[in-house]
Amino acid sequence: DGGITQSPKYLFRKEGQNVTLSCEQNLNHDAMYWYRQDPGQGLRLIYYSQIVNDFQKGDIAEGYSVSREKKESFPLTVTSAQKNPTAFYLCASSNTPWGAFFGQGTRLTVV
Amino acid sequence: AQSVTQLGSHVSVSEGALVLLRCNYSSSVPPYLFWYVQYPNQGLQLLLKYTSAATLVKGINGFEAEFKKSETSFHLTKPSAHMSDAAEYFCAVSEANTGGFKTIFGAGTRLFVKA
Repeated sequence: DGGITQSPKYLFRKEGQNVTLSCEQNLNHDAMYWYRQDPGQGLRLIYYSQIVNDFQKGDIAEGYSVSREKKESFPLTVTSAQKNPTAFYLCASSNTPWGAFFGQGTRLTVV
Repeated sequence: AQSVTQLGSHVSVSEGALVLLRCNYSSSVPPYLFWYVQYPNQGLQLLLKYTSAATLVKGINGFEAEFKKSETSFHLTKPSAHMSDAAEYFCAVSEANTGGFKTIFGAGTRLFVKA
């Protein structure tokens, strides 16, 4: 089955640590996205990539980094510079502009 | 710049009643519009999309939405609510920019269905 897979589902991070969230898709989509979801704020775009080896900052890119070395993969690193990283992170892919497919999300908690 | 406004962060209906979730958008070009549904601790699932074909769009689970350009609206409706419809719903708009297509989401509306 085609789909988009995020791992892990739950992640705990100590303050000052970098963590990497995985996102893999086998839908052959060119575009991939990372969103952050906080209660009452909808989804905010962190980074997006329209093609391999290229990506653009979204609205809240500070404290995050990404890479797009393969079409199937778009990992997100939450760095220690992100001061409030506790949130639900969603990865999506699309053959724009026909709507996006979302992964099941990773819930990151700082402990 | 594009934006999406969902009126009402919470909507409560009785089972069997009409569901109406409101969405207004702002876009400088003809938009692509979407409604997504999210169940707790899960990703988003596409309910329906408007891509400049018919203005009345039918989606999954009995939902539909009507694109009204004059009102810049894309409200989501369902004639008869079911308990399983309780979830959070997001309206989204997508338009082309220099980096490709970018999708902006509304803040979401949580739908409660009372027995």
